[in-house]
Amino acid sequence: DSGVTQTPKHLITATGQRVTLRCSPRSGDLSVYWYQQSLDQGLQFLIQYYNGEERAKGNILERFSAQQFPDLHSELNLSSLELGDSALYFCASSVTGGGDEQFFGPGTRLTVL
Amino acid sequence: DQQVKQNSPSLSVQEGRISILNCDYTNSMFDYFLWYKKYPAEGPTFLISISSIKDKNEDGRFTVFLNKSAKHLSLHIVPSQPGDSAVYFCAARWISSGSARQLTFGSGTQLTVLP
Repeated sequence: DSGVTQTPKHLITATGQRVTLRCSPRSGDLSVYWYQQSLDQGLQFLIQYYNGEERAKGNILERFSAQQFPDLHSELNLSSLELGDSALYFCASSVTGGGDEQFFGPGTRLTVL
Repeated sequence: DQQVKQNSPSLSVQEGRISILNCDYTNSMFDYFLWYKKYPAEGPTFLISISSIKDKNEDGRFTVFLNKSAKHLSLHIVPSQPGDSAVYFCAARWISSGSARQLTFGSGTQLTVLP
């Protein structure tokens, strides 16, 4: 158990819908990262937050957005969902976000029908 | 543009033998390389890393080798155990902006250790 929690574990929805994925980092970690893993692909970095502020952005679509709240939990919002958005979404956390070890949650499996 | 590549999607090895997982990269700006291990229904967990200024790092049964001229790294597991069966991801770290560091991951190699 990494100490990072993600909810829900599974999510099934339809095209065009909007969903919210939630992540609670390890106690004491200030930085949160979001990754997407599509079938047979590596983890694609989406976005990083540090202490409530966006720190780095990767290949995140404009239909996706994220935020980190004062209690340091984070939410990833996916809207106008397409079939190709079906994937595993991982959240990771680290203490500083400056290259220290990232601890991953178990992921949320999103299926868009 | 895939900067980190794991060309073998799967590898099977007998218990007690050596497992060698390979990874190639294209970006010379990576400063750290990491291996993560992932079991089904769990997130990846950090296994071992190596700085770009070194060519070898060892931790128990796990050794990572870095060949900068070939832009290649490998993970050796000796001896392999059935509990090592998992997906192994190679990742490379780079400076995205200021003090922010990002990881770029390969697509993973499924290692199966046969008893």
